[in-house]
Parts: sequence; structure tokens; C-alpha cells
Amino acid sequence: GNSVTQMEGPVTLSEEAFLTINCTYTATGYPSLFWYVQYPGEGLQLLLKATKADDKGSNKGFEATYRKETTSFHLEKGSVQVSDSAVYFCALSSGGSYIPTFGRGTSLIVHP
Amino acid sequence: DTAVSQTPKYLVTQMGNDKSIKCEQNLGHDTMYWYKQDSKKFLKIMFSYNNKELIINETVPNRFSPKSPDKAHLNLHINSLELGDSAVYFCASSQVTYSGNTIYFGEGSWLTVV
Repeated sequence: GNSVTQMEGPVTLSEEAFLTINCTYTATGYPSLFWYVQYPGEGLQLLLKATKADDKGSNKGFEATYRKETTSFHLEKGSVQVSDSAVYFCALSSGGSYIPTFGRGTSLIVHP
Repeated sequence: DTAVSQTPKYLVTQMGNDKSIKCEQNLGHDTMYWYKQDSKKFLKIMFSYNNKELIINETVPNRFSPKSPDKAHLNLHINSLELGDSAVYFCASSQVTYSGNTIYFGEGSWLTVV
């Protein structure tokens, strides 16, 4: 079956630091990969996605590259801001099951 | 315009009560969902409907009953509330395509059972 593993948090950084949140997956077929972000008190919203190998999704300074050889989709940002403090979820959906599989979420805390 | 809206946002109720959460989407999507998020932020799919038909019904107590009067609405009714039902409940919708299934979430309903 499908599964998503992401690093446990919280990840605590100072403003302007480099961010990496690791995500690896197992899936049947050729999944699409997603990062969602959940700000405090809000629902999840799509941050970026990639639908095939070597695609790079990007949005709001965040990037993630679909790496089929390592089954990974790590989230990166060159310089985080306090406003990036949130919980980040890696997810996949594949043709076998359209229901997305979510990771457990990684909390990011950015200090001024 | 809110794409996926759910009400109420906050709900505090006593054990044993019955409550409902309503959800509407104006995105024209065929598929709607209910997710439960626990205090550790873990997301669990509860139900999925496609064009008003129940597709997914995970191992959820039968005190939870979804109802979809049309494809834009998916309501959740909970009978005989228990302390362990306290959580955030998210409604969501999507349009499944060949390029993957992007989910659009509502803002959540914070349920506290006392």
C-alpha cells in the first residue's frame, strides 16, 4: 500500500535560516506528490505539487523535487520567515487509490 | 468566496449529546471527504463521497453518520458524543484527475466534548 514518512518535529529555526523537511514515500504506480501547509487555527492548504519524476514544485519560496530514484520529495526554503511557522504535511495520491495518503506532519517554528 | 466552508467552527458540548457539522463546497468538485485531526495533528480519513455516493467508510464508529444531499454538500452527524470524539474535523473536496488528486480543505470544526 501507499505510505508517507516525514521527519518528526518540531523543527526550530531562526529567521533567515535554511529549511529542509524530509519526506519519503512508498507507492504503487506513479504517484503525484504534494506538500500542504496548515497555519495555526486554519485548515490545510496546498503549498506545491509535482506529478512526475524530476518535476520541481515551487511556491512562496518553497521548493520540492520529485526524486523517483530515492522515492523522496523533500521540502526546502532558502530563508525562512516567522510567518512560515506552521505544520507541513507531505502527501501522495496514486491511480490505485485516489484517496491521498498524508504523512504525520512536521511542525516548523521560526524565531525572530 | 470560500471554496469549502464548514459550520460551526467551534463546538463545545456535553457527553451523550448529538451534534452536526455542515459542509458546502462551491468548486464544482465531484468528491467530498471528512477527515479527523487529533491533538498530535495526525490526519485520518473518515469518509469519502463521490457524486453523493459513499465510497470510503473507514473504521469509524457508527455513531458517525455522513449525509450528502447533493454533490456540493456533505454533512456529518455524530450521536452520543464521547470524550474521545474531541478533535478537529475537516471537510474537504477534490476533482480527481489523471495528474493527481489535489484536496481543498475547509477551515475545520473544533469539537470539544466535556
